[in-house]
Amino acid sequence: GNSVTQMEGPVTLSEEAFLTINCTYTATGYPSLFWYVQYPGEGLQLLLKATKADDKGSNKGFEATYRKETTSFHLEKGSVQVSDSAVYFCALNPDSNYQLIWGAGTKLIIKP
Amino acid sequence: EAGVAQSPRYKIIEKRQSVAFWCNPISGHATLYWYQQILGQGPKLLIQFQNNGVVDDSQLPKDRFSAERLKGVDSTLKIQPAKLEDSAVYLCASSSDRGTTEQYFGPGTRLTVT
Repeated sequence: GNSVTQMEGPVTLSEEAFLTINCTYTATGYPSLFWYVQYPGEGLQLLLKATKADDKGSNKGFEATYRKETTSFHLEKGSVQVSDSAVYFCALNPDSNYQLIWGAGTKLIIKP
Repeated sequence: EAGVAQSPRYKIIEKRQSVAFWCNPISGHATLYWYQQILGQGPKLLIQFQNNGVVDDSQLPKDRFSAERLKGVDSTLKIQPAKLEDSAVYLCASSSDRGTTEQYFGPGTRLTVT
């Protein structure tokens, strides 16, 4: 079946550190991949997405590359800020399906 | 463009009571989703509407949960009677397509069942 596995949190970093949050998936066909972010007290927001292999999604300094050979979609940022503190969710939309399959989320804490 | 609206933001009820949540999607969005998000977990889809028809309600506990989307615009999710394990955040989302494009989420309703 379809599934998403994220690294467990919380991930705690100092400001300006390099961030990687791992995401791997299991899916048949050619899914679209997403990263959503949930800031404290707010709803989920789409951060970035990629719809085919080798696509790179990017937004707000975050990047993720759709790697079909390793079934991964790791989230990276070169220099994090305190305002990046949030919960990050990896999700996939299976080919010819309409549901989003979600990871459990990774809480990110950035210390000044 | 106004976002997805939900109310109430917070609700505390006792077990066996009933509760209702309301959602108004982004104008023109045909698809509406209700999710349940338990603390520390990803969202779980409860029901998906396309206009005023149900596309998927396979994970909706139909013995206690019900949802409707009259006129294909706003929607109501009801729980009756509530159980302790229903404590969660209930998220509403909408999209202009059947999930292949971005889903826009409301702020959610945090339900506590005591």
